[in-house]
Amino acid sequence: GQSLEQPSEVTAVEGAIVQINCTYQTSGFYGLSWYQQHDGGAPTFLSYNALDGLEETGRFSSFLSRSDSYGYLLLQELQMKDSASYFCAVRVYSTLTFGKGTMLLVSP
Amino acid sequence: DTAVSQTPKYLVTQMGNDKSIKCEQNLGHDTMYWYKQDSKKFLKIMFSYNNKELIINETVPNRFSPKSPDKAHLNLHINSLELGDSAVYFCASSRSSGQGVHEQYFGPGTRLTVT
Repeated sequence: GQSLEQPSEVTAVEGAIVQINCTYQTSGFYGLSWYQQHDGGAPTFLSYNALDGLEETGRFSSFLSRSDSYGYLLLQELQMKDSASYFCAVRVYSTLTFGKGTMLLVSP
Repeated sequence: DTAVSQTPKYLVTQMGNDKSIKCEQNLGHDTMYWYKQDSKKFLKIMFSYNNKELIINETVPNRFSPKSPDKAHLNLHINSLELGDSAVYFCASSRSSGQGVHEQYFGPGTRLTVT
């Protein structure tokens, strides 16, 4: 089976930088995805890492280390609208297994 | 313009009833999924389906069954509803399971309440 660990909650202030970590245990690993979900909304895709290293998309970056079974999502220049839950998900062949999510609270 | 749509958005029903949730995607994807999100926000895959294979999460009770009339639709039928079935159900789609499964597009969700 698969297991993922991420912090349950992270708090930060507007303009700050926050990092959400994800460690995983799985067999047949293909890559690590990140999704954002606002309260009452649907999960939306943010990024995907199949190879080691950093992927940057605007204010968001995602990192993967396959040897450490570890990844993180980095959010820069935080805005109030970034308050949401963030899920890491491992791709194992044809399905995704999601972590339990990290609730990010951004305060003024 | 909606990419993945689900109906109904809210569903309130009594224990023992049978209900269906419909899902449609207009993205041209050939793989669709059903997820259950419980009150603790844990997002759990229930089914993955394309025109070649159905992958069932072994923990899903057989009261739940997906039915796909065509590539753009994947409906969820639930028989003999139980209190524990109360959750938000999300439909999602992606490009073929081998190439695009990491980037899934989710519908708005159906909040099911069983009383």
